[in-house]
Amino acid sequence: DQQVKQNSPSLSVQEGRISILNCDYTNSMFDYFLWYKKYPAEGPTFLISISSIKDKNEDGRFTVFLNKSAKHLSLHIVPSQPGDSAVYFCAASEPNTGKLIFGQGTTLQVKP
Amino acid sequence: SQTIHQWPATLVQPVGSPLSLECTVEGTSNPNLYWYRQAAGRGLQLLFYSVGIGQISSEVPQNLSASRPQDRQFILSSKKLLLSDSGFYLCAWSAIWASGRNEQFFGPGTRLTVL
Repeated sequence: DQQVKQNSPSLSVQEGRISILNCDYTNSMFDYFLWYKKYPAEGPTFLISISSIKDKNEDGRFTVFLNKSAKHLSLHIVPSQPGDSAVYFCAASEPNTGKLIFGQGTTLQVKP
Repeated sequence: SQTIHQWPATLVQPVGSPLSLECTVEGTSNPNLYWYRQAAGRGLQLLFYSVGIGQISSEVPQNLSASRPQDRQFILSSKKLLLSDSGFYLCAWSAIWASGRNEQFFGPGTRLTVL
């Protein structure tokens, strides 16, 4: 049973437009959420995070939104750039252990 | 600043051969350490994690084992590789977990192909 789900395997957007990547989770006890970006044959790079006590965190072009009642988080990238093309993983921190549970990933392609 | 190293970067091994992948972290003390596997087209699966020297927790039953002989060294091993062990192996570290924050930082990964 997958506790963190990214239901869209892929997303394609035009350069300059907004990219919205979605993530759903089932465990209401998760207390911290993270987004990672991964290029092929490289390790994931930490992108942005949000605590469960907040509903929004912004860092430059990247904004993460958390809707606890819906158990849903999203990553907004504005404006999207070709260099943003990568696989994006959301992750949730398990309470009491700090272990991360990852989604399956969404491949973002930003077209010039 | 902290850095994490993994080697080798790529490895091709025959079925039944042993395996040893190494991960080291610099610039921090007493990190939590993790081994993940990413199978082709799939997400990141946590294999092992360690909160201290000699302390290993296994997440899934498998053909692999892990050891932590030193504070900043984490080793992934197998006595006999299976075809299903092929994948991209990632080591990660984090500071001691504290409620509210738990960023993990990943190494460059090892691509293992078992033939």
